[in-house]
Amino acid sequence: DTAVSQTPKYLVTQMGNDKSIKCEQNLGHDTMYWYKQDSKKFLKIMFSYNNKELIINETVPNRFSPKSPDKAHLNLHINSLELGDSAVYFCASSPGLAGKGGELFFGEGSRLTVL
Amino acid sequence: GEDVEQSLFLSVREGDSSVINCTYTDSSSTYLYWYKQEPGAGLQLLTYIFSNMDMKQDQRLTVLLNKKDKHLSLRIADTQTGDSAIYFCAESNGQTGANNLFFGTGTRLTVIP
Repeated sequence: DTAVSQTPKYLVTQMGNDKSIKCEQNLGHDTMYWYKQDSKKFLKIMFSYNNKELIINETVPNRFSPKSPDKAHLNLHINSLELGDSAVYFCASSPGLAGKGGELFFGEGSRLTVL
Repeated sequence: GEDVEQSLFLSVREGDSSVINCTYTDSSSTYLYWYKQEPGAGLQLLTYIFSNMDMKQDQRLTVLLNKKDKHLSLRIADTQTGDSAIYFCAESNGQTGANNLFFGTGTRLTVIP
């Protein structure tokens, strides 16, 4: 049973398109996240939701819109894709506040390539 | 913002010890973490240390924290080929409501058989 699952695992698309990445966790965690990992492996938080409420919204273009229909799901929709959006996007969840010693559980990542 | 720095690459021979270093700038860091990322996978928590500790040992892993110098290290004893991965240092300041970890750039550990 996969704890944090993301789909799709790979996504290749043209510039200007709109795409979504879905994430689901079956761990019963209250908090979910989206991280972006660029080609140099630098990992940066984009968004965090706690019980469906947005609690972290880093400086991310507003072409990126997260949606949390319930606390087990956090989807990421990206409009008007640009070349610089090419990256691996990781979904993660934590049982409490990850910043207070809690563990982040990561999905396997979704590799987005924009042509 | 917080900066977390690591060297990018480390190579060691199988059976030797590996030491991965990390420096950070946030003087109010409360928790410091080591995560491991294997190829094609997400990150997995290896261990973490609270800022009032200076050492933590867990089997082959030893974490050392020098809070004065804002320096964290991860020592892996008897390194095995299965330890080849990218290791990320991360820190948080544990403020109420804070839910963010700041990750370093990752150190790619290569273990030579």
